Amino acid sequence: GIQVEQSPPDLILQEGANSTLRCNFSDSVNNLQWFHQNPWGQLINLFYIPSGTKQNGRLSATTVATERYSLLYISSSQTTDSGVYFCAPYNQGGKLIFGQGTELSVKP
Amino acid sequence: ETGVTQSPTHLIKTRGQQVTLRCSSQSGHNTVSWYQQALGQGPQFIFQYYREEENGRGNFPPRFSGLQFPNYSSELNVNALELDDSALYLCASSLAPGYMNTEAFFGQGTRLTVV
Repeated sequence: GIQVEQSPPDLILQEGANSTLRCNFSDSVNNLQWFHQNPWGQLINLFYIPSGTKQNGRLSATTVATERYSLLYISSSQTTDSGVYFCAPYNQGGKLIFGQGTELSVKP
Repeated sequence: ETGVTQSPTHLIKTRGQQVTLRCSSQSGHNTVSWYQQALGQGPQFIFQYYREEENGRGNFPPRFSGLQFPNYSSELNVNALELDDSALYLCASSLAPGYMNTEAFFGQGTRLTVV
């Protein structure tokens, strides 16, 4: 089955800094989602992005399906951005396959 | 429009017992998927229900079973609980299965502890 690799596994930032999170996947995909898991465990939808670039406020995402990767950009980070970020492409059966996540900690 | 809701939020069970977790899908959604997330790991797909039929299953033993009702809410049942079943169980709903290119939305999860 499809393998999903996220990097870096951990990231510590000072408030106001920018960051790029990367997601590589081993097979072609039709769709992909990015999530932010808050400290209480809920997965919050960030982007539904099969290809191209989308922006939502300080966050943006780019998926290059032909090269099997997706990037999540966080600009002017805030302490509330802390948590775990997951990339999850859909496999051929239409099921979300999650990576191990990137744990982000933003310090004031 | 109501979101995805799960109950209970926390649960403690003894090894060997059985447990039922519940999920109400978002209004208008007919597809529910269940995931297990162990501590420090990404969620793992358990199974999916689409219009009351099982529509795919991950690598989980038969003691993990499910059900979807006519109103598209769903249950996850786990028999003969083991210590390794301790995890956060997440439910996601969508307008249709993922191969129909629809976005999934998650509930807040049920944290199960087996002692």
